[in-house]
Amino acid sequence: DAGITQSPRHKVTETGTPVTLRCHQTENHRYMYWYRQDPGHGLRLIHYSYGVKDTDKGEVSDGYSVSRSKTEDFLLTLESATSSQTSVYFCAISVEGALAGANVLTFGAGSRLTVL
Amino acid sequence: KQEVTQIPAALSVPEGENLVLNCSFTDSAIYNLQWFRQDPGKGLTSLLLIQSSQREQTSGRLNASLDKSSGRSTLYIAASQPGDSATYLCAVRDSGGGADGLTFGKGTHLIIQP
Repeated sequence: DAGITQSPRHKVTETGTPVTLRCHQTENHRYMYWYRQDPGHGLRLIHYSYGVKDTDKGEVSDGYSVSRSKTEDFLLTLESATSSQTSVYFCAISVEGALAGANVLTFGAGSRLTVL
Repeated sequence: KQEVTQIPAALSVPEGENLVLNCSFTDSAIYNLQWFRQDPGKGLTSLLLIQSSQREQTSGRLNASLDKSSGRSTLYIAASQPGDSATYLCAVRDSGGGADGLTFGKGTHLIIQP
């Protein structure tokens, strides 16, 4: 168990309000990711981090920001939530294997966000 | 841009059958390929990872193969059980290790009939 905790697990909010989702890991892995999962689109990368204060955009980053002030925490913020951001959000970490190329992506349980 | 396709989108078979799920990708320069399982309302569970230098990986009743040159991977499930019912996702990490995560297919929704 890679020890990934997402919070909150469920949230309902209104359009225009700010929302922050938290991903916490217990094993000091370098790489962390935020994905969203939507019917018909599958999983798409929002942002990722390769170290403290080192982040970069993914495929669907518009409307989202991230921060990583500590190795163990990766925060995803919706500055002003919209209905199109209703989704299930997954955090993941890259668990490095013993051999090059053997790094496994391990996922949290997900956070279901509904924007009314 | 890497694209991953999974066929079929849905599959329903009687218990006990052997079955094959297919995954294809457009850019063969991959770093590794990972198969996941997702139960309804749950997160993703990693099943198998195949490094680019490997041809297959096995875990119990699961066997995943990789043919980089043709851009294909298959997940073989032997002696299927109702507990295997789930959505199976294929994902590739592009060459270079990929700090930028994985590209996912949309999954195959599998139902095993008791």
